[in-house]
Amino acid sequence: ETGVTQSPTHLIKTRGQQVTLRCSSQSGHNTVSWYQQALGQGPQFIFQYYREEENGRGNFPPRFSGLQFPNYSSELNVNALELDDSALYLCASSLTLEGLTEAFFGQGTRLTVV
Amino acid sequence: ILNVEQSPQSLHVQEGDSTNFTCSFPSSNFYALHWYRWETAKSPEALFVMTLNGDEKKKGRISATLNTKEGYSYLYIKGSQPEDSATYLCATGGFKTIFGAGTRLFVKA
Repeated sequence: ETGVTQSPTHLIKTRGQQVTLRCSSQSGHNTVSWYQQALGQGPQFIFQYYREEENGRGNFPPRFSGLQFPNYSSELNVNALELDDSALYLCASSLTLEGLTEAFFGQGTRLTVV
Repeated sequence: ILNVEQSPQSLHVQEGDSTNFTCSFPSSNFYALHWYRWETAKSPEALFVMTLNGDEKKKGRISATLNTKEGYSYLYIKGSQPEDSATYLCATGGFKTIFGAGTRLFVKA
């Protein structure tokens, strides 16, 4: 039991809509990373937050944005949804931001855009 | 190598077989190498974090080695069991984590 929880578990949205996904970190972890996993691929890094600031970003457009709150929980927001945004979205929390310690993952949110 | 690559893509073995997978990664600007096990309908579970060239780690029947100079890591499973069936992912640590596509292991009883 990792202690990282994500909500909702499943979501169906229409193209053009906006979506917010939520993640509660493992207790004591101040770093959260978000990933998109499309079918047949490994998780793709979206961005990382450390103490409420974005600390690194992958190759995702600005319509992917995030927030980290003082309690280190986090949100991923996606605007103007496209069909290709359909994927499993994972969040992971860790103690350090350089990837030197293990990350604990949530079970993911399965987003379907129709 | 620019990306993290894993081989084979999938593997079918019999219970009791020993097996190994490969993870290849860029050797420049290396921070850490992570291995995860991901069972269907569960969260990815961290197996190892390795940071030093020559590192060897072991957890039960699973072990891993790391060569940062040539940019590869091996994951070994000794005496595979059906419960080892999962996708095994490796990822490079750093400010931008890069995952491989994974090796899907099927262990038949």
